[in-house]
Amino acid sequence: DTGVSQDPRHKITKRGQNVTFRCDPISEHNRLYWYRQTLGQGPEFLTYFQNEAQLEKSRLLSDRFSAERPKGSFSTLEIQRTEQGDSAMYLCASSFSWGAKETQYFGPGTRLLVL
Amino acid sequence: GQNIDQPTEMTATEGAIVQINCTYQTSGFNGLFWYQQHAGEAPTFLSYNVLDGLEEKGRFSSFLSRSKGYSYLLLKELQMKDSASYLCAVRDNSGGYNKLIFGAGTRLAVHP
Repeated sequence: DTGVSQDPRHKITKRGQNVTFRCDPISEHNRLYWYRQTLGQGPEFLTYFQNEAQLEKSRLLSDRFSAERPKGSFSTLEIQRTEQGDSAMYLCASSFSWGAKETQYFGPGTRLLVL
Repeated sequence: GQNIDQPTEMTATEGAIVQINCTYQTSGFNGLFWYQQHAGEAPTFLSYNVLDGLEEKGRFSSFLSRSKGYSYLLLKELQMKDSASYLCAVRDNSGGYNKLIFGAGTRLAVHP
């Protein structure tokens, strides 16, 4: 399977705990995006990496959120001191910078439930 | 500001044709995408328009009018498996990179 993979697929945690999600992009893709999706809404952009550099962070990403992409390969998204409002599907997407032809391909997502 | 509107829900009959409309306002338009999303699953890429006109891919076609800020996704010969949410997304490059701005999605229910 050469698609985008995410781990874990589901995570249940108690409020105040830290959680970390992993995304493995399609191997030749140099761009990686994180999105958050709540029920009945479309995905909302969180942050973006070109290779290992994090080039943009949404205002949605409070200081409790941090993302890394060491060596420009896989990426991790960490949420510290989780809150019930963090419950959502966290989606990772990757793409190759083909200019106008760039298409983002999504992973299966990590569904987070904060109790 | 950035705004994308699409109908919340639509219903259609198996074998029929359905058109899902999307209107948008964005500052750095660089293409419009349609994704299909089944419940609990990730969005999957359907089609992409950067120039005005119709793009056809099998049973799916997508149309774009940049001057009107308008797109539609046309699904022909509907099948039960087409029951899903359809997400309209504008690619915005105003920040110097390609960010997708999604609409809330249109939930399509296909009935026998």
